[in-house]
Amino acid sequence: DIQMTQSPSSLSASVGDRVTITCRASQSISSHLNWYQQRPGIAPRLLIYDASILQSGDPSRFSGSGSGTDFTLTISSLQPEDFATYHCQQSHSTPFTFGQGTTLEIK
Amino acid sequence: QLQLQESGPGLVKPSETLSLTCTVSGASISDSNYYWDWIRQPPGKELEWIGNVAYGGTTYYKASLKSRVTMSVDTSKNQFSLRLNSVTAADTAVYYCARHRGALNWFHPWGQGTLVTVSS
Repeated sequence: DIQMTQSPSSLSASVGDRVTITCRASQSISSHLNWYQQRPGIAPRLLIYDASILQSGDPSRFSGSGSGTDFTLTISSLQPEDFATYHCQQSHSTPFTFGQGTTLEIK
Repeated sequence: QLQLQESGPGLVKPSETLSLTCTVSGASISDSNYYWDWIRQPPGKELEWIGNVAYGGTTYYKASLKSRVTMSVDTSKNQFSLRLNSVTAADTAVYYCARHRGALNWFHPWGQGTLVTVSS
């Protein structure tokens, strides 16, 4: 199975900050990497797919990059509604696997 | 608008069978372009993909769960289901249903999730 490792596990930041979350795959997955946002008590929702394509309707302050084994999710200017947990997922091969999640907290 | 909704018992005894149903509204489960997935999240742990089922009955299961999992589709009710037998406390989790399109293996949308606790 492909192992996905996110860092950091948690992050404290303030509204307006720029933050970056990293996801590393245990082997090359090309650009087959997706990001989900999960607010407390709510199901995950697709945010970015194929490493860098922003889901329709989501704000442009979210961006994704990377290929191969190293990927990043960047939020350019944090808004109050962005404080949530972010999960990466590889869609390169089954079994599809997720990172352990990064919880973004208000400082 | 496509919506998915999980339903089923919230409490299952150890060694028994966990059964969940996902009702699909706003789209036909018979669309051969899509796969219907089950994903779970144990308390405090990462998301785990369990497997999926397609309209024609084709299934893909995570290898470590394959011996205990059965997924199926009921086109008359526009539903798909998950059965997990011989459950233990390790199967306690929030279970989500979701959809993905063909080889585009990202999950969208997701159901709201349902907590299943395995306890006597």
